Amino acid sequence: SQQGEEDPQALSIQEGENATMNCSYKTSINNLQWYRQNSGRGLVHLILIRSNEREKHSGRLRVTLDTSKKSSSLLITASRAADTASYFCATADSWGKLQFGAGTQVVVTP
Amino acid sequence: DGGITQSPKYLFRKEGQNVTLSCEQNLNHDAMYWYRQDPGQGLRLIYYSQIVNDFQKGDIAEGYSVSREKKESFPLTVTSAQKNPTAFYLCASHPGTVNSPLHFGNGTRLTVT
Repeated sequence: SQQGEEDPQALSIQEGENATMNCSYKTSINNLQWYRQNSGRGLVHLILIRSNEREKHSGRLRVTLDTSKKSSSLLITASRAADTASYFCATADSWGKLQFGAGTQVVVTP
Repeated sequence: DGGITQSPKYLFRKEGQNVTLSCEQNLNHDAMYWYRQDPGQGLRLIYYSQIVNDFQKGDIAEGYSVSREKKESFPLTVTSAQKNPTAFYLCASHPGTVNSPLHFGNGTRLTVT
């Protein structure tokens, strides 16, 4: 069963625009992680946010976590064509076991 | 250059044949994982191993088998008992410390006809 559910399933934007995707989950977590996957490749880790953190930044990426609503968001600012990929959230329980969502497919057009 | 190597990138087999997917890591990570990814879906955990000579079933272990004889290697065998084996298979490793991310290989796409 999938713990994280991303929304939207697909997102199409133009270069320079911001892209926001959301992740909701059902049970308590130790941390939440965001990964990126280019077509036909493995996943690459982007950001890990712990359950006691509310916001984290990395370059053009901003992640928020609201444990009261059991939700997280990933914002990509000033998007580029190279940001075209699928983005997955994954929640880790206290044992470290990860559950992945189905992903958001982002297409950035020049 | 540390990382995870999965081979081959593409694999074709006839129905009824067992096939083994290779996964090797030189990151000195204790834990290794196998995931299955179907089109438009997330990753589902097949098997994982937290230490050499020990492994546990994940959520969809039926029809698969693994071994962990060496820290660096975690091969996955897709047996003929797996009813729908065509998928993208991803191997990952983890250093074993809390709040650390997974490191993934580039996957093996298996097609069974």
